Amino acid sequence: GIQVEQSPPDLILQEGANSTLRCNFSDSVNNLQWFHQNPWGQLINLFYIPSGTKQNGRLSATTVATERYSLLYISSSQTTDSGVYFCAVSIAEGSGGGADGLTFGKGTHLIIQP
Amino acid sequence: DAGVIQSPRHEVTEMGQEVTLRCKPISGHDYLFWYRQTMMRGLELLIYFNNNVPIDDSGMPEDRFSAKMPNASFSTLKIQPSEPRDSAVYFCASSIDRAYGYTFGSGTRLTVV
Repeated sequence: GIQVEQSPPDLILQEGANSTLRCNFSDSVNNLQWFHQNPWGQLINLFYIPSGTKQNGRLSATTVATERYSLLYISSSQTTDSGVYFCAVSIAEGSGGGADGLTFGKGTHLIIQP
Repeated sequence: DAGVIQSPRHEVTEMGQEVTLRCKPISGHDYLFWYRQTMMRGLELLIYFNNNVPIDDSGMPEDRFSAKMPNASFSTLKIQPSEPRDSAVYFCASSIDRAYGYTFGSGTRLTVV
C-alpha cells in the first residue's frame, strides 16, 4: 500500500514562531488532506490539497504532486495550534469524483509554548 | 448542522462481551468511514460505505468485527467477542466528495478489560 511519512515527528515552538510540516508519499494520489487533532482528540479537516497551494488565515499548504510531497505552513503560532497534524492520502485511480478511504501518516506532534 | 454524531463517547467492557458503536453521518453525505486510532498503529481505515453499500472492508481486523449501514443516517460497528487488544478510539467520518473534505465525529474511546 501507499506509504506516508511525516516530519518532524515532534516540534516545540514558542508562541509567534512559524513552522513548516512535511508529508512525503510514495505514489500518485488523487486525494491529500491535512488534519489537526486537538488535545481533546477532535480531528479537524484543514485542507483538501492534492496539488497546488491554498491558504486559510495563518495556515497554508502546498502540494507538489510530481515530487510527491506536501508542506503545511503555520505562521505566527498560537497555543491553540498545539496538537497533532496529520497528512492523509488516497491513491489516484481515475479522474472521477467521489471519496475513498484515506491512509494517514503518523503525524507531527506540535507544542506551542506561551 | 450537528456534525457527525457518535455514541457512546466512552465504553468500558469486559473481554468476551459484545460491543456496538454507533454513528450518524451528516445529512446528505454519501460516504461513511470507520477508523481506529491506537498509539501503536495510528489511524487505520477499517471500512467505508458509499450510499449504504460497503465498498472496502479490507481494513477490518478479523471476523469479530462487523459493520452495517441500514440507512443513510445510521451505521454500526460491532465487535463480538471483544478482546483487550481492541481497546482504541474508534472514529466515524462522513463526506460528500473528497474535494469537500472529511468530517470526523468525536470518537468512541473503547476500553476492553
